Amino acid sequence: GAGVSQSPSNKVTEKGKDVELRCDPISGHTALYWYRQSLGQGLEFLIYFQGNSAPDKSGLPSDRFSAERTGGSVSTLTIQRTQQEDSAVYLCASSPPGVRGKDTQYFGPGTRLTVL
Amino acid sequence: DQQVKQNSPSLSVQEGRISILNCDYTNSMFDYFLWYKKYPAEGPTFLISISSIKDKNEDGRFTVFLNKSAKHLSLHIVPSQPGDSAVYFCAASAKNNFNKFYFGSGTKLNVKP
Repeated sequence: GAGVSQSPSNKVTEKGKDVELRCDPISGHTALYWYRQSLGQGLEFLIYFQGNSAPDKSGLPSDRFSAERTGGSVSTLTIQRTQQEDSAVYLCASSPPGVRGKDTQYFGPGTRLTVL
Repeated sequence: DQQVKQNSPSLSVQEGRISILNCDYTNSMFDYFLWYKKYPAEGPTFLISISSIKDKNEDGRFTVFLNKSAKHLSLHIVPSQPGDSAVYFCAASAKNNFNKFYFGSGTKLNVKP
């Protein structure tokens, strides 16, 4: 289908290692979001990209987290020196251009990250 | 500090009855609210939204009610169906930063046949 895809679906890593999580948004969607959901918690906003504007990074929990979006399409979320508290499901969403109220977010299936 | 709260982690309802899911928020700047539904191993999918200029929005079996004075919204599903069994998240955004969404922790709805 033409939905948001994320890879890998599962990632197990050792504490201290770096990980990269990938998101392929729906073609034509200008906005892209990263969230994470820890066990028993809601979705926590991490970062937001909109077109060519500077991203809103206000939700990144520490400087170990970074994200980029190349060519206005694919995005990579990088976590350096992973810690056990980084274990969570990382969700990506994209939304089409348009006026507010129409900018429904379409979510990918998520990447489940486990840091041992 | 969670600005959007769903205080009921789970709800069980008989098929055909009404399901009422509740959500409270603290930020008076929030003016746009959404409900998402999530099945296991899938991402959330958009269900219904409401702007603060309204107090009710209806879409088929789903109705969202907004009480601004109480900073409370609710999602009504009637009649409930077994396929509605999922986790429901409410979300909100503010007029001064409307692309940033705050999500609740979710309510797991179980509709029993």
